[in-house]
Amino acid sequence: AQTVTQSQPEMSVQEAETVTLSCTYDTSESDYYLFWYKQPPSRQMILVIRQEAYKQQNATENRFSVNFQKAAKSFSLKISDSQLGDAAMYFCAYPRITQGGSEKLVFGKGTKLTVNP
Amino acid sequence: DTAVSQTPKYLVTQMGNDKSIKCEQNLGHDTMYWYKQDSKKFLKIMFSYNNKELIINETVPNRFSPKSPDKAHLNLHINSLELGDSAVYFCASSPSGLTDTQYFGPGTRLTVL
Repeated sequence: AQTVTQSQPEMSVQEAETVTLSCTYDTSESDYYLFWYKQPPSRQMILVIRQEAYKQQNATENRFSVNFQKAAKSFSLKISDSQLGDAAMYFCAYPRITQGGSEKLVFGKGTKLTVNP
Repeated sequence: DTAVSQTPKYLVTQMGNDKSIKCEQNLGHDTMYWYKQDSKKFLKIMFSYNNKELIINETVPNRFSPKSPDKAHLNLHINSLELGDSAVYFCASSPSGLTDTQYFGPGTRLTVL
């Protein structure tokens, strides 16, 4: 079953503007981490931002911030002052416990972000 | 300095052949992973090793066999390649478990003809 949902297969934004990418997830745990990864055309996967669920404060990394709504199980990524270099696939990810008791990182299907000059 | 490296970056081969992809990390991490990214960009874990010990083995055909000679290396050997194996394969590592950031290699694009 899909536990991480990114409902926007594609998004576009004008350079210098702000865009928000959505992500929802399904978990019964109370303490966990959430991640946003970026994959530019070079295909290198790079961590954008990480959120710890027990922290109420939303994580921020320069122009990237999250809107973490724990009760709603929502973890959206906001990119401010968008730059051409932000164009990429963005993946939301959540560690899920397998039947064997180990954890695996489950990725959403990704959102392709286009930045228009 | 490359943190997680994979070789080769591109691999084109015929159906039925056997091939290997090598992965090395110089970050001192304990855990390494193999992921498969299909043509629709969906990324799915295949294997996970912690200190050379297999801890995750997803539903992957037996034709895929990971090997970890030491905790800095995790190689992937694929026997009897099939058309459906065509994908990008990513190696990654993290300090310990999945609460840590994973560092990905550049990926290996495998094309089976």
